[in-house]
Amino acid sequence: EVQLLESGGGLVQPGGSLRLSCAASGFTFSTYAMTWVRQAPGKGLEWVSVIRGSGSVTYYGDSVKGRFSISRDNSENTLYLQMNSLRVEDTAVYYCARDPGSAGLYHFDYWGQGTLVTVSS
Amino acid sequence: SYVLTQPPSVSVAPGNTATIACGGNNIRHKNVHWYQQRPGQAPVLVIFYDTDRPSGVPERFSGSKSGNTATLTISRVEAGDAADYYCQVWDDTSNHVVFGGGTNLAVL
Repeated sequence: EVQLLESGGGLVQPGGSLRLSCAASGFTFSTYAMTWVRQAPGKGLEWVSVIRGSGSVTYYGDSVKGRFSISRDNSENTLYLQMNSLRVEDTAVYYCARDPGSAGLYHFDYWGQGTLVTVSS
Repeated sequence: SYVLTQPPSVSVAPGNTATIACGGNNIRHKNVHWYQQRPGQAPVLVIFYDTDRPSGVPERFSGSKSGNTATLTISRVEAGDAADYYCQVWDDTSNHVVFGGGTNLAVL
């Protein structure tokens, strides 16, 4: 059974940093691209970043480029999102999700339950 | 940047058919995917590559595309279909995943 479990969310002050993790199980992690998608309270889905199975290629949404960094440890079956220079508008539930392709098919067939990040002073 | 436009809400009576539109420039050249998100839950993929249905998704869910609009159709709507629905594409010009703004389906 495919499982994705996010962790690392919490309360952080503006300008601070946070690292999210997504522990994957039930599939061969290294052969799937992975993505982060967020959802601000009461708002729609916003794509954050995607990384290929090998980790060699990454893409970012305009609102986080230069501040967030996606990475993965295929030996530990874990996806990461390093978030720096956090802003109030980064407050959201952050979901990790699996892409069925290694190089990216850019749709997402399994999702975690999400972790809440709150940026506030 | 590429934009997908969805109506904010659609209402339908149980047993009827719901159609949710997703508009985008030259969307006929893009693969469109659809997600269902029930309140308090993570999104679930219900249609991929315009018309394909993942295993476990009822046949009542179908997708189509014509001109600059993709459409999610839900036949014989049930109370449990009440949710937010999002369309999504990959924009290879910007290398961005793009989501529509979402449509809330109310089952009256």
